[in-house]
Amino acid sequence: EPEVTQTPSHQVTQMGQEVILRCVPISNHLYFYWYRQILGQKVEFLVSFYNNEISEKSEIFDDQFSVERPDGSNFTLKIRSTKLEDSAMYFCASREGQGAVYEQYFGPGTRLTVT
Amino acid sequence: AQSVTQLGSHVSVSEGALVLLRCNYSSSVPPYLFWYVQYPNQGLQLLLKYTSAATLVKGINGFEAEFKKSETSFHLTKPSAHMSDAAEYFCAVSGPAGKSTFGDGTTLTVKP
Repeated sequence: EPEVTQTPSHQVTQMGQEVILRCVPISNHLYFYWYRQILGQKVEFLVSFYNNEISEKSEIFDDQFSVERPDGSNFTLKIRSTKLEDSAMYFCASREGQGAVYEQYFGPGTRLTVT
Repeated sequence: AQSVTQLGSHVSVSEGALVLLRCNYSSSVPPYLFWYVQYPNQGLQLLLKYTSAATLVKGINGFEAEFKKSETSFHLTKPSAHMSDAAEYFCAVSGPAGKSTFGDGTTLTVKP
């Protein structure tokens, strides 16, 4: 069964450093998402991406964050200057189309630890 | 705006007992509702989804949920709990734009 993959599974970085989290969505999917889950808390929406542009973003997704689909297969989340509070599990998700018939598939997540 | 409220951050049941995890939603448009399970240090696994077809939805691992519009609820049930059901459960609502809004989660503990 097709699946969303994410790399790395765990990333440790120092405060102020840039990090890029990578996702490979399912190949025929058109809609892409990033979510964040701080340890012990709920999953929070960060951003959705369609047709090579951001379609919606949350208040969490400030100027420190950016997303890109550089090569038609990868979908990346960049944090320009990490803060301690960016430590969280980051989930990528993708779906084939809009509407409930299209299930949102989640990747296994990248655990980001900022020290 | 859409939101979900999960009643009870922790639920504890005995093995073999009924599991009932509560979720109420708020949505200005017909909602799409989901239940996910998350095991420690793992990702999100879809248990089941409501997409305006049958109001009683059956999912994996023996779970089911009933959509009740009059009560704005989508509670998750399982007739007989197994030890392997111990996990975090999230209710989520999704609108036409596709993003999901998650509840705070309910930790299910299963006692032997």
